[in-house]
Amino acid sequence: AQSVTQLDSQVPVFEEAPVELRCNYSSSVSVYLFWYVQYPNQGLQLLLKYLSGSTLVKGINGFEAEFNKSQTSFHLRKPSVHISDTAEYFCAVQKTSGSRLTFGEGTQLTVNP
Amino acid sequence: KAGVTQTPRYLIKTRGQQVTLSCSPISGHRSVSWYQQTPGQGLQFLFEYFSETQRNKGNFPGRFSGRQFSNSRSEMNVSTLELGDSALYLCASSLEEGLNTQYFGPGTRLTVL
Repeated sequence: AQSVTQLDSQVPVFEEAPVELRCNYSSSVSVYLFWYVQYPNQGLQLLLKYLSGSTLVKGINGFEAEFNKSQTSFHLRKPSVHISDTAEYFCAVQKTSGSRLTFGEGTQLTVNP
Repeated sequence: KAGVTQTPRYLIKTRGQQVTLSCSPISGHRSVSWYQQTPGQGLQFLFEYFSETQRNKGNFPGRFSGRQFSNSRSEMNVSTLELGDSALYLCASSLEEGLNTQYFGPGTRLTVL
């Protein structure tokens, strides 16, 4: 079975500051990794995904994530956040042989002026 | 191209009733997955349908069921509603089963009184 742990439930930051949202995963089989964002009263939007290749993945809205196999981590970063980045962020894994996504508990990012 | 649509967006039911939620995938997508999102349990996989067949099922009681039609539209049904079924139900579609990016709809907010 797979599991995902998002190490911070809430992350408050000031506008234009850098941010890192942490995600660790556990799996006995190979997985793909994803970050999704959820704005209030909306569904999930894919930010980025790691399938293979370069461990540094760039996504939409200036976000990037780095896959670290030895530490089983997939942390999300942005060098300078905006008020509009305020949302809940979910890390997810998917077995390479299946479709089901297993999600972490979510991290609420709040960007303050 | 239109995104994933879910109807209705909001629903209020009472305990013991049953409910049917509908999901229309992105045009050309043949796989539909359903997830339940609650504050306590987070995002949990319900089931996946591909070519009108259930391919995967999460750990939910038999009160939760679904189906997929030949046009890839999907419905999920919850019978004998319980208070704990109050949740945001998210539908996601992808091109094929297996590894394909899943695109989420806005969800149906179900409240059970």
